[in-house]
Amino acid sequence: DGGITQSPKYLFRKEGQNVTLSCEQNLNHDAMYWYRQDPGQGLRLIYYSQIVNDFQKGDIAEGYSVSREKKESFPLTVTSAQKNPTAFYLCASSMSGYIEQFFGPGTRLTVL
Amino acid sequence: GQQVMQIPQYQHVQEGEDFTTYCNSSTTLSNIQWYKQRPGGHPVFLIQLVKSGEVKKQKRLTFQFGEAKKNSSLHITATQTTDVGTYFCAGGEWSGNTGKLIFGQGTTLQVKP
Repeated sequence: DGGITQSPKYLFRKEGQNVTLSCEQNLNHDAMYWYRQDPGQGLRLIYYSQIVNDFQKGDIAEGYSVSREKKESFPLTVTSAQKNPTAFYLCASSMSGYIEQFFGPGTRLTVL
Repeated sequence: GQQVMQIPQYQHVQEGEDFTTYCNSSTTLSNIQWYKQRPGGHPVFLIQLVKSGEVKKQKRLTFQFGEAKKNSSLHITATQTTDVGTYFCAGGEWSGNTGKLIFGQGTTLQVKP
């Protein structure tokens, strides 16, 4: 059954701790994306990757880091430098170019 | 930077009424996509428009892409309770085939039965 998985669904962390969110896809998609969703602000792009071992900053990359060592995986680390990390994080993937994006179920991160 | 504005932010309708959400970009887009997010869920792709002036229909949903490729609309005829959710437009950048989309803020639709 093909799709995108994100884990965990809910995550709680103390302020000052780094946390890594998982995103895995078995759709054989080249491109992967990380978005942040806050109420009333839609989806904002954090990082995206069009190919293994390469990624680009999105509109709100400060305080975040990513890696793309495998085609199937695109983990996002929320570092302690991110000033307001509490949000809903969505991972997506697509074939290269402007093709529909498939979204994972999301991870809701709460920093206490 | 490139921005995509979407209005209205919220819309409450009686079941059976029509609904429209509008999307405007500050720059020319290469394409526009529409997504629906049900409460508590994740965005799901609805459609992509590429050509200037393009109109596409999916049952009760009608999607339009403006002649200048800077605006778009989604119209739902005779809403049903299953239409509840947030509708997002997302514009593709004109230069460079990056696949990068700029999302609008979304329109949340509530339907009263």
